[in-house]
Amino acid sequence: KQEVTQIPAALSVPEGENLVLNCSFTDSAIYNLQWFRQDPGKGLTSLLLIQSSQREQTSGRLNASLDKSSGRSTLYIAASQPGDSATYLCAVQGYSTLTFGKGTMLLVSP
Amino acid sequence: ETGVTQTPRHLVMGMTNKKSLKCEQHLGHNAMYWYKQSAKKPLELMFVYSLEERVENNSVPSRFSPECPNSSHLFLHLHTLQPEDSALYLCASSQASGQGRFSDTQYFGPGTRLTVL
Repeated sequence: KQEVTQIPAALSVPEGENLVLNCSFTDSAIYNLQWFRQDPGKGLTSLLLIQSSQREQTSGRLNASLDKSSGRSTLYIAASQPGDSATYLCAVQGYSTLTFGKGTMLLVSP
Repeated sequence: ETGVTQTPRHLVMGMTNKKSLKCEQHLGHNAMYWYKQSAKKPLELMFVYSLEERVENNSVPSRFSPECPNSSHLFLHLHTLQPEDSALYLCASSQASGQGRFSDTQYFGPGTRLTVL
């Protein structure tokens, strides 16, 4: 059974810092890995999707990498802003499964 | 309306009630999903309707019953729920390509916050 772990569970940083969120998974037989953002009391917003054949994806200040063989992904956020404050979720796809981690709660203070 | 909408946004019900959650997607997608998000637990996929197939998580109790009358609408019928069923229920949609059931980006609704007394 696939298990997804996200570290740290919570992170508080001052505005402007570059930061890294970590995601690890136990079964490397995946189709893709996705990063989502969730604001309090709201649904999820997809940030980046990395196919299993890819090593990384970039969108603006976000960069996600995938090392399938070691079961790891990182989400890099450059020059963090208060508007980045949210919970970030990692999810890995098997053929008939989509397994989420518990998320990293990020707070960026002005 | 754009994106994925869910109604109601909040629902309080007793254990003997019967209610339904509604989801509608305006994105022209062909796959829809129900998720459960409980405090301190990972998001849990409950049901998928994709390419005219239904996939369900075998751990979901039978007191939850999904219905997908067409590709734009999805319902979750609730009956004789338990207090531990209190959670945020999220609906999502995607354009499934057939290469693995979730190979495309999913778009989420805002959720229904359910409280079972």
